[in-house]
Amino acid sequence: AQTVTQSQPEMSVQEAETVTLSCTYDTSESDYYLFWYKQPPSRQMILVIRQEAYKQQNATENRFSVNFQKAAKSFSLKISDSQLGDAAMYFCAYRSARTNSGYALNFGKGTSLLVTP
Amino acid sequence: EPEVTQTPSHQVTQMGQEVILRCVPISNHLYFYWYRQILGQKVEFLVSFYNNEISEKSEIFDDQFSVERPDGSNFTLKIRSTKLEDSAMYFCASSVYSDSPLHFGNGTRLTVT
Repeated sequence: AQTVTQSQPEMSVQEAETVTLSCTYDTSESDYYLFWYKQPPSRQMILVIRQEAYKQQNATENRFSVNFQKAAKSFSLKISDSQLGDAAMYFCAYRSARTNSGYALNFGKGTSLLVTP
Repeated sequence: EPEVTQTPSHQVTQMGQEVILRCVPISNHLYFYWYRQILGQKVEFLVSFYNNEISEKSEIFDDQFSVERPDGSNFTLKIRSTKLEDSAMYFCASSVYSDSPLHFGNGTRLTVT
């Protein structure tokens, strides 16, 4: 089974600064998807960014970008120009691309991001 | 933008009682999921559902759990005889295709007393 590890339980960043959240995963598969989800205090799960493993180019979504290192099985999230609204729990997630996998998302334990003024 | 909606937002039940959590996935989505999150812990996969049958289920999804799509719009999770450890936030999600991103609902907080 695939495991997703987020080694930083908590991170703090000042408004307008940049922060990087770490994620590593363990898999024997070559084709898969990786995601970052944001969970604000409202508890809703919001998709931040998605990366297909077969793509070498790192995904970018406005202020959010990833550093995907397939060989190292690393998938970090960089948030640039941090805003107060970015404060939330961030979950890294893995999803197999195998057609008989059920397409379940496997989540890490999360990193709580605090944004200070 | 279409949303996944879940009702109720909070459900309190006594141990041993049956509960049904309801979800309305996004209308053109074909794949449906239930996840749960015990307070302070990570989000855990329960079950995926496609073409009116379960595609995959986790070890958590034992005989006490069942899912159903009773009509063209609702997707329900039933817990037959609730236990204290079933207290958690339950998230419904849906996706258009198997490789599409999941859209989550706001969750139902289940409290078992």
